[in-house]
Amino acid sequence: KQEVTQIPAALSVPEGENLVLNCSFTDSAIYNLQWFRQDPGKGLTSLLLIQSSQREQTSGRLNASLDKSSGRSTLYIAASQPGDSATYLCAAFDSWGKLQFGAGTQVVVTP
Amino acid sequence: SQTIHQWPATLVQPVGSPLSLECTVEGTSNPNLYWYRQAAGRGLQLLFYSVGIGQISSEVPQNLSASRPQDRQFILSSKKLLLSDSGFYLCAWSVLPSGGGDTQYFGPGTRLTVL
Repeated sequence: KQEVTQIPAALSVPEGENLVLNCSFTDSAIYNLQWFRQDPGKGLTSLLLIQSSQREQTSGRLNASLDKSSGRSTLYIAASQPGDSATYLCAAFDSWGKLQFGAGTQVVVTP
Repeated sequence: SQTIHQWPATLVQPVGSPLSLECTVEGTSNPNLYWYRQAAGRGLQLLFYSVGIGQISSEVPQNLSASRPQDRQFILSSKKLLLSDSGFYLCAWSVLPSGGGDTQYFGPGTRLTVL
């Protein structure tokens, strides 16, 4: 069974610093991988979907990489802002299109 | 554009009472639909998914059931709630996957507290 781990569980950075969020998975036969953002008490907002054939995906200040051989994905957020404060979740798809989620990294960007 | 709705937004129910949570999707046809639960201090757990009307797959044996009476309507139910059913329930949709999984889009969630 696919297990997804996100370390650290929490992260605090000053405004303007780049954020690096890590996600690891146990089964390298991964299909696609999706990154989400969750604000307190809210649903999930999709940030990026990386297809299994891709090495990275970019959207604005966000860049996500995927290295299947090492079982890792990394989400980079450039020039962080206080509005980036949230919990970031990664999730790996299995062959049936079902997601297995990590526990998330809670990010605080201080002004 | 596509939107997903969930209601109610919050719910407080006594132990042993019934439950019905509703999820509807607009702007798309024949979506895959999912119910997840996020319990305090735990990650998201997939409860049910559906690839079409009347087609429900259960991921975890539990006190809950799901139904899909219409193409874009997904309902989560229970006949008798347990304390352990408390949590944040999220509905999601995606286009039918063509191998590997397509982007899943989540609703705003329902916060359920069982007392």
